[in-house]
Amino acid sequence: QKEVEQDPGPLSVPEGAIVSLNCTYSNSAFQYFMWYRQYSRKGPELLMYTYSSGNKEDGRFTAQVDKSSKYISLFIRDSQPSDSATYLCAMSVVNQGGKLIFGQGTELSVKP
Amino acid sequence: ETGVTQTPRHLVMGMTNKKSLKCEQHLGHNAMYWYKQSAKKPLELMFVYSLEERVENNSVPSRFSPECPNSSHLFLHLHTLQPEDSALYLCASSQESDRGAFFGQGTRLTVV
Repeated sequence: QKEVEQDPGPLSVPEGAIVSLNCTYSNSAFQYFMWYRQYSRKGPELLMYTYSSGNKEDGRFTAQVDKSSKYISLFIRDSQPSDSATYLCAMSVVNQGGKLIFGQGTELSVKP
Repeated sequence: ETGVTQTPRHLVMGMTNKKSLKCEQHLGHNAMYWYKQSAKKPLELMFVYSLEERVENNSVPSRFSPECPNSSHLFLHLHTLQPEDSALYLCASSQESDRGAFFGQGTRLTVV
Protein backbone atom coordinates (compact mmCIF):
# COMPACT_ATOMS: atom_id res chain seq x y z
CA GLN A 1 0.00 0.00 0.00
CA LYS A 2 1.35 3.44 -0.94
CA GLU A 3 1.85 5.86 1.94
CA VAL A 4 -0.07 8.57 0.09
CA GLU A 5 -2.81 7.91 -2.46
CA GLN A 6 -4.02 10.54 -4.89
CA ASP A 7 -6.32 10.08 -7.87
CA PRO A 8 -4.23 11.05 -10.91
CA GLY A 9 -7.25 12.23 -12.90
CA PRO A 10 -7.35 13.90 -15.32
CA LEU A 11 -10.14 16.03 -13.91
CA SER A 12 -11.93 18.42 -16.27
CA VAL A 13 -14.35 21.08 -15.02
CA PRO A 14 -16.03 24.18 -16.50
CA GLU A 15 -14.85 27.62 -15.50
CA GLY A 16 -16.47 28.79 -12.26
CA ALA A 17 -16.92 25.29 -10.84
CA ILE A 18 -15.89 24.25 -7.34
CA VAL A 19 -13.05 21.76 -7.53
CA SER A 20 -12.35 19.15 -4.86
CA LEU A 21 -8.96 17.44 -4.81
CA ASN A 22 -8.24 14.71 -2.30
CA CYS A 23 -5.53 12.51 -0.83
CA THR A 24 -5.62 9.65 1.60
CA TYR A 25 -2.70 8.40 3.63
CA SER A 26 -1.78 5.46 5.81
CA ASN A 27 0.87 6.84 8.21
CA SER A 28 -0.84 8.26 11.29
CA ALA A 29 2.42 10.00 12.25
CA PHE A 30 2.03 12.60 9.49
CA GLN A 31 1.52 16.00 11.09
CA TYR A 32 2.27 18.50 8.33
CA PHE A 33 0.22 18.63 5.14
CA MET A 34 0.91 20.63 2.03
CA TRP A 35 -0.58 21.25 -1.40
CA TYR A 36 1.59 22.13 -4.36
CA ARG A 37 0.59 23.33 -7.82
CA GLN A 38 2.76 22.37 -10.79
CA TYR A 39 2.34 23.88 -14.22
CA SER A 40 3.68 22.01 -17.23
CA ARG A 41 7.48 22.22 -17.49
CA LYS A 42 7.72 24.06 -14.16
CA GLY A 43 8.72 23.14 -10.61
CA PRO A 44 6.06 22.59 -7.92
CA GLU A 45 4.82 25.77 -6.20
CA LEU A 46 3.77 25.64 -2.54
CA LEU A 47 0.09 26.64 -2.33
CA MET A 48 -1.08 25.75 1.16
CA TYR A 49 0.44 24.42 4.36
CA THR A 50 -1.49 23.09 7.35
CA TYR A 51 -0.51 21.51 10.62
CA SER A 52 -2.57 18.68 12.12
CA SER A 53 -6.35 18.74 11.66
CA GLY A 54 -8.58 21.62 10.65
CA ASN A 55 -9.23 24.05 7.82
CA LYS A 56 -7.16 26.80 6.27
CA GLU A 57 -8.39 29.33 3.74
CA ASP A 58 -6.39 31.50 1.34
CA GLY A 59 -8.45 33.39 -1.22
CA ARG A 60 -10.22 30.88 -3.46
CA PHE A 61 -8.36 27.96 -1.92
CA THR A 62 -9.34 25.99 1.19
CA ALA A 63 -7.32 23.12 2.64
CA GLN A 64 -8.92 20.61 5.00
CA VAL A 65 -7.27 17.93 7.08
CA ASP A 66 -9.19 15.12 8.78
CA LYS A 67 -6.63 13.10 10.71
CA SER A 68 -9.22 10.71 12.09
CA SER A 69 -10.03 9.60 8.54
CA LYS A 70 -6.47 10.11 7.22
CA TYR A 71 -7.91 12.30 4.48
CA ILE A 72 -6.96 15.73 3.18
CA SER A 73 -8.70 17.94 0.65
CA LEU A 74 -8.07 21.06 -1.37
CA PHE A 75 -11.09 23.03 -2.57
CA ILE A 76 -10.85 25.62 -5.32
CA ARG A 77 -13.79 28.01 -5.60
CA ASP A 78 -14.71 29.88 -8.79
CA SER A 79 -12.12 27.90 -10.75
CA GLN A 80 -10.30 29.69 -13.56
CA PRO A 81 -8.52 28.39 -16.68
CA SER A 82 -5.29 29.58 -15.04
CA ASP A 83 -5.89 26.96 -12.33
CA SER A 84 -5.24 24.24 -14.92
CA ALA A 85 -2.22 22.39 -13.56
CA THR A 86 -1.21 19.28 -11.66
CA TYR A 87 -1.93 19.46 -7.94
CA LEU A 88 0.30 17.49 -5.60
CA CYS A 89 -0.40 16.70 -1.99
CA ALA A 90 2.58 16.19 0.32
CA MET A 91 2.99 15.39 3.98
CA SER A 92 5.67 14.88 6.56
CA VAL A 93 6.39 13.59 10.03
CA VAL A 94 7.77 15.94 12.69
CA ASN A 95 11.57 16.14 12.80
CA GLN A 96 12.17 14.00 9.74
CA GLY A 97 14.64 16.33 8.10
CA GLY A 98 12.16 17.73 5.61
CA LYS A 99 11.32 14.37 4.11
CA LEU A 100 8.12 15.10 2.19
CA ILE A 101 6.04 12.16 0.94
CA PHE A 102 4.13 13.11 -2.19
CA GLY A 103 1.00 11.83 -3.83
CA GLN A 104 1.09 11.08 -7.53
CA GLY A 105 -0.60 14.37 -8.42
CA THR A 106 -4.01 15.16 -9.93
CA GLU A 107 -4.10 16.78 -13.36
CA LEU A 108 -6.80 19.48 -13.45
CA SER A 109 -8.16 21.17 -16.55
CA VAL A 110 -10.54 24.14 -16.23
CA LYS A 111 -12.36 24.80 -19.50
CA PRO A 112 -13.45 28.37 -20.42
CA GLU B 1 17.32 37.08 -8.25
CA THR B 2 15.08 35.33 -5.71
CA GLY B 3 13.96 31.76 -5.00
CA VAL B 4 15.62 28.55 -6.08
CA THR B 5 17.53 28.52 -9.37
CA GLN B 6 18.57 25.38 -11.21
CA THR B 7 20.93 25.04 -14.16
CA PRO B 8 20.87 23.76 -16.78
CA ARG B 9 17.13 23.60 -17.53
CA HIS B 10 17.64 20.83 -20.07
CA LEU B 11 20.42 18.27 -20.40
CA VAL B 12 20.99 15.43 -22.85
CA MET B 13 23.85 13.10 -22.01
CA GLY B 14 25.23 9.80 -23.15
CA MET B 15 25.62 6.89 -20.79
CA THR B 16 29.38 7.36 -20.60
CA ASN B 17 29.29 11.11 -19.92
CA LYS B 18 29.90 12.96 -16.66
CA LYS B 19 27.80 16.04 -15.96
CA SER B 20 26.69 18.11 -12.98
CA LEU B 21 23.42 19.78 -12.05
CA LYS B 22 23.60 23.00 -10.09
CA CYS B 23 21.16 24.52 -7.63
CA GLU B 24 21.33 27.86 -5.85
CA GLN B 25 18.86 29.18 -3.28
CA HIS B 26 18.49 32.85 -2.42
CA LEU B 27 16.01 32.38 0.44
CA GLY B 28 18.42 32.06 3.38
CA HIS B 29 17.24 28.52 4.05
CA ASN B 30 19.35 25.99 5.95
CA ALA B 31 18.22 22.76 4.25
CA MET B 32 18.40 21.69 0.62
CA TYR B 33 17.04 18.65 -1.22
CA TRP B 34 17.23 16.74 -4.48
CA TYR B 35 14.04 15.11 -5.77
CA LYS B 36 13.44 13.00 -8.87
CA GLN B 37 10.16 13.28 -10.79
CA SER B 38 9.40 10.58 -13.34
CA ALA B 39 6.28 10.42 -15.49
CA LYS B 40 3.21 9.01 -13.70
CA LYS B 41 5.14 8.56 -10.42
CA PRO B 42 5.23 10.59 -7.21
CA LEU B 43 8.22 12.79 -6.48
CA GLU B 44 11.00 10.73 -4.95
CA LEU B 45 13.32 12.23 -2.36
CA MET B 46 16.96 11.49 -3.23
CA PHE B 47 19.13 13.49 -0.83
CA VAL B 48 18.71 15.88 2.08
CA TYR B 49 21.32 18.33 3.32
CA SER B 50 20.78 20.16 6.58
CA LEU B 51 23.34 22.78 7.61
CA GLU B 52 25.55 21.46 4.78
CA GLU B 53 25.61 17.92 6.16
CA ARG B 54 23.96 15.07 4.32
CA VAL B 55 21.25 13.71 6.59
CA GLU B 56 19.45 11.41 4.20
CA ASN B 57 20.35 9.25 1.24
CA ASN B 58 17.35 7.32 0.02
CA SER B 59 19.13 4.27 -1.40
CA VAL B 60 20.15 6.23 -4.46
CA PRO B 61 22.60 4.49 -6.84
CA SER B 62 26.18 5.66 -6.56
CA ARG B 63 26.11 7.01 -10.11
CA PHE B 64 24.37 10.01 -8.46
CA SER B 65 26.73 11.96 -6.18
CA PRO B 66 25.56 15.07 -4.31
CA GLU B 67 27.71 17.92 -3.06
CA CYS B 68 26.77 20.81 -0.79
CA PRO B 69 29.69 23.26 -0.46
CA ASN B 70 27.65 25.83 1.50
CA SER B 71 24.08 26.49 2.58
CA SER B 72 23.22 28.26 -0.68
CA HIS B 73 24.55 25.80 -3.24
CA LEU B 74 23.84 22.19 -4.07
CA PHE B 75 25.19 20.04 -6.86
CA LEU B 76 24.26 16.65 -8.25
CA HIS B 77 27.14 14.96 -10.06
CA LEU B 78 26.12 12.39 -12.65
CA HIS B 79 28.19 9.63 -14.24
CA THR B 80 27.50 6.47 -16.23
CA LEU B 81 23.76 7.00 -16.08
CA GLN B 82 21.16 4.67 -17.55
CA PRO B 83 18.25 5.58 -19.86
CA GLU B 84 15.81 4.91 -16.98
CA ASP B 85 17.46 7.80 -15.11
CA SER B 86 15.83 10.20 -17.57
CA ALA B 87 13.52 12.40 -15.50
CA LEU B 88 12.96 15.88 -14.10
CA TYR B 89 15.42 16.55 -11.27
CA LEU B 90 14.16 19.09 -8.78
CA CYS B 91 16.09 20.99 -6.16
CA ALA B 92 14.29 22.41 -3.13
CA SER B 93 15.12 24.33 0.01
CA SER B 94 13.42 25.02 3.33
CA GLN B 95 14.07 26.84 6.59
CA GLU B 96 11.79 25.00 8.97
CA SER B 97 11.97 21.49 7.64
CA ASP B 98 8.38 20.54 8.34
CA ARG B 99 6.67 23.55 6.80
CA GLY B 100 7.07 22.70 3.16
CA ALA B 101 9.91 23.19 0.74
CA PHE B 102 10.35 25.65 -2.11
CA PHE B 103 11.28 24.14 -5.45
CA GLY B 104 13.34 25.24 -8.40
CA GLN B 105 12.15 24.84 -11.98
CA GLY B 106 14.01 21.57 -12.42
CA THR B 107 16.47 20.11 -14.90
CA ARG B 108 14.95 17.92 -17.57
CA LEU B 109 17.52 15.14 -18.03
CA THR B 110 17.54 12.77 -20.98
CA VAL B 111 20.02 9.90 -21.04
CA VAL B 112 20.66 8.46 -24.50
